[in-house]
Amino acid sequence: DIQMTQSPSSLSASVGDRVTITCRASQSINSYLNWYQQKPGKAPKLLIYAASSLQSGVPSRFTGSASGTDFTFIISSLQPEDVATYYCQQSYSTWTFGQGTKVEIK
Amino acid sequence: EVQLLESGGGLVQPGGSLRLSCAASGFTFSNYAMTWVRQAPGKGLEWVSTLTGSGGSTYYADSVKGRFTISRDNAMNTLYLQMNSLRAEDTALYYCAKSFYDTSGAEAFDIWGQGTVVTVSS
Repeated sequence: DIQMTQSPSSLSASVGDRVTITCRASQSINSYLNWYQQKPGKAPKLLIYAASSLQSGVPSRFTGSASGTDFTFIISSLQPEDVATYYCQQSYSTWTFGQGTKVEIK
Repeated sequence: EVQLLESGGGLVQPGGSLRLSCAASGFTFSNYAMTWVRQAPGKGLEWVSTLTGSGGSTYYADSVKGRFTISRDNAMNTLYLQMNSLRAEDTALYYCAKSFYDTSGAEAFDIWGQGTVVTVSS
C-alpha cells in the first residue's frame, strides 16, 4: 500500500502570509495527487487535482506542485476563510489520504 | 444541482450490521465511480471503498475487507454500503463521494455528501 506522509500536522500563520504544506509518497505516484480542504463541521472540498490543476471555482491563491514523490501545496496569501484542515490524497493505487494539516490564524 | 445525500447511520452494537445509502442527483450516476470515505471523531479522512460506474469492480480498504460490501443501483441513482461485523473502531462519520477524472486519467473526489454518523457501542 502507498503511504502518504504530510507535514506539518498543524501551523499558525498571519493573514497575508504564505503557507506551505508538503506531502511525500512512499513510492512513485506520477502526479496522481489531490488536495482537499475541510472546514470544521463540513465535508471535504476538492481544491487541486493531478498535483497542480486548480478545481473550477477555487481561488488562485491555492497552488500545488510536484517533484518526484514530494508534493507541495501553497496558499500564497492566507485569508481568514482559509482556516481549515488540508489533506493530500493519492489516487495512483487505490486511494490514501495524508494525516492532515490544521491551519489556523495567528 | 449536483448533490449527494447519505442516510442510514445510527447506533449499533458491536457485531451488528447497518446499511448506508447515498442518493445522488444532478448528474448521470452510472457514468461515475462512487466512494465511501469515513472520519472517526477528531481524526483524519480514511478511504473505505470504491465501486466503478458499471458496478463491475470493487475496491476495499484492508480495515473493512470481508466485512463491508459496496453496491449501487444505477436505476435508483443510489450507492450503498452494507456493514457487517461492526467494531468500535468503525465508529465514524461516513461520507459518499463522486469521482472526477481529468484528461490525463487522474482521479479525484469532486462532490461529497454531508455524511451520516455510525456509532458502534454497547
